Amino acid sequence: AQKVTQAQTEISVVEKEDVTLDCVYETRDTTYYLFWYKQPPSGELVFLIRRNSFDEQNEISGRYSWNFQKSTSSFNFTITASQVVDSAVYFCALSAHGGSQGNLIFGKGTKLSVKP
Amino acid sequence: GAGVSQTPSNKVTEKGKYVELRCDPISGHTALYWYRQSLGQGPEFLIYFQGTGAADDSGLPNDRFFAVRPEGSVSTLKIQRTERGDSAMYLCASSPTGGRWGEQYFGPGTRLTVT
Repeated sequence: AQKVTQAQTEISVVEKEDVTLDCVYETRDTTYYLFWYKQPPSGELVFLIRRNSFDEQNEISGRYSWNFQKSTSSFNFTITASQVVDSAVYFCALSAHGGSQGNLIFGKGTKLSVKP
Repeated sequence: GAGVSQTPSNKVTEKGKYVELRCDPISGHTALYWYRQSLGQGPEFLIYFQGTGAADDSGLPNDRFFAVRPEGSVSTLKIQRTERGDSAMYLCASSPTGGRWGEQYFGPGTRLTVT
């Protein structure tokens, strides 16, 4: 079965704090893809990153960084020096062959509130 | 460039009525997906089109739900005999390639409320 677990339902931080959003996935496939999406209050899901299962190299994009560890089936997302504009619901998603031809399996999301 | 657009943005209907939700994907994207998102949950897959054909409709909850994409571009999600439990945000996404690796670009959604 394919599954994505985001154990943190809500996180609240003060601006400039670093914050890590956890994501744990389950799949029996050896080839799969992991994604992070941001859903701001306006509602539209915004693509942030995609990783494939063969590339465990961590990635940094500005204040965002992602830590992919196959040994723990985790794909965590860190925001450094958080800003109020980072307030949103963040979804981790999995795309594996056991599913459809690319349909995403989403976690329940983590609501991040960044206070000034 | 233009992103994925969905119309209407909001739809209120009475229980038992028929509704149609429209999705205009990004031009040139061959793959199109429909998802449903309930409050406080992540989106759940409904159906996937590659071109004009439904490559996978395993997520449709029952036969009241149907979707078409006759010319390989615009798609319409149709719900017959709506029920209160159908109330949710319906999201459409398109991808240039589809497949497991394809980035999906989402529209703003249609919020359906069944009274």
